[in-house]
Amino acid sequence: GAVVSQHPSRVICKSGTSVKIECRSLDFQATTMFWYRQFPKKSLMLMATSNEGSKATYEQGVEKDKFLINHASLTLSTLTVTSAHPEDSSFYICSARVPGRGTASYEQYFGPGTRLTVT
Amino acid sequence: AQKVTQAQTEISVVEKEDVTLDCVYETRDTTYYLFWYKQPPSGELVFLIRRNSFDEQNEISGRYSWNFQKSTSSFNFTITASQVVDSAVYFCALSDGVGANSKLTFGKGITLSVRP
Repeated sequence: GAVVSQHPSRVICKSGTSVKIECRSLDFQATTMFWYRQFPKKSLMLMATSNEGSKATYEQGVEKDKFLINHASLTLSTLTVTSAHPEDSSFYICSARVPGRGTASYEQYFGPGTRLTVT
Repeated sequence: AQKVTQAQTEISVVEKEDVTLDCVYETRDTTYYLFWYKQPPSGELVFLIRRNSFDEQNEISGRYSWNFQKSTSSFNFTITASQVVDSAVYFCALSDGVGANSKLTFGKGITLSVRP
């Protein structure tokens, strides 16, 4: 089956610093990856859609200058939280879409998540 | 706009009880997919099922079963003879059509606690 990894699984950083989270599709090429944010006991909120080789599409209300997304290859997307603040502390989850065959296919696999704590 | 409603927020049952998790969705698309995911305390989302809008057959997989009814826009999930390991947050999700621009919309999730 399709496997998506995230690194790191947990990170603690100080206010004002930047932190990078990596999302990799291990056994398939993903032209599209997604980044979600999840607050405690809340649902997953889509932050942005990342397409390989092009700029990410951010959801309304997500600061693109704060959450930098780079999808440089078909197996790697990165999310960089710049100038982190305590309110950025959250669980960040990426997912990767398996390329479809025609219009009948839609498979999206999720990474294990990264818990970010900003002190 | 797509919307997924999981009206139940928390459910607590005793082991071996059956439990049904409700999911109601809204979409204007005629082609769409519905999903259920399980999120155990570890945080990783576990895919349970995908159903497309043209397939209204109910599905059973072991102790899990799903009831898809387009007439009521519902896609309910039943766990039979629940076990402690079923304790998790369960999300219902809807994809807005198919193709490169489709996205998943999640419900708020249902926290299921199964007591021994």
